[in-house]
Amino acid sequence: GQNIDQPTEMTATEGAIVQINCTYQTSGFNGLFWYQQHAGEAPTFLSYNVLDGLEEKGRFSSFLSRSKGYSYLLLKELQMKDSASYLCAVRDYGSGAGSYQLTFGKGTKLSVIP
Amino acid sequence: DGGITQSPKYLFRKEGQNVTLSCEQNLNHDAMYWYRQDPGQGLRLIYYSQIVNDFQKGDIAEGYSVSREKKESFPLTVTSAQKNPTAFYLCASSIGRTGEKLFFGSGTQLSVL
Repeated sequence: GQNIDQPTEMTATEGAIVQINCTYQTSGFNGLFWYQQHAGEAPTFLSYNVLDGLEEKGRFSSFLSRSKGYSYLLLKELQMKDSASYLCAVRDYGSGAGSYQLTFGKGTKLSVIP
Repeated sequence: DGGITQSPKYLFRKEGQNVTLSCEQNLNHDAMYWYRQDPGQGLRLIYYSQIVNDFQKGDIAEGYSVSREKKESFPLTVTSAQKNPTAFYLCASSIGRTGEKLFFGSGTQLSVL
């Protein structure tokens, strides 16, 4: 099975930087996704990491360390519209199912305050 | 524009009733999925389908049923056997095999009357 941990809630100030962590334990790791989900809406794709290191996309960056079972999502120059839940999802190969599977963490609710 | 359409946005179920949630995609994706989301919980996989006329149970399939008669459509039926159906239901698709980047519909909030 898998164990994925994220902080439940975080609060940050507009214009600041925030880092949302995700730790995981899995035997067949094959990549990690980050999604953003505004309340009552569909999750939207932010990033995908499969190799160690930092991937940067504008104000958002995502980091992965496979040896540590650790990823973070970094949001810079926070805006009010960044208030949302951020979901970490781990992709692994399930030998029982014979296919790749995605398992989601519980999500981190980020509140951006003025 | 290509995308995934879920309907209805809100749905109410009476005791002992089966209800069906619609999911249609025009992205030409092979794989489709149904997730359930409860407050403070992660997305949990109900059913998925990698090709037409084939589907597999996810982690919480009990009380649910699906069909995949067309590539574009993957309806979910919440049966009366599902005793706690109140949740936000998300349909998703991916280009090829499972575990790829997911594209989500806008969701259906199901509540019990």
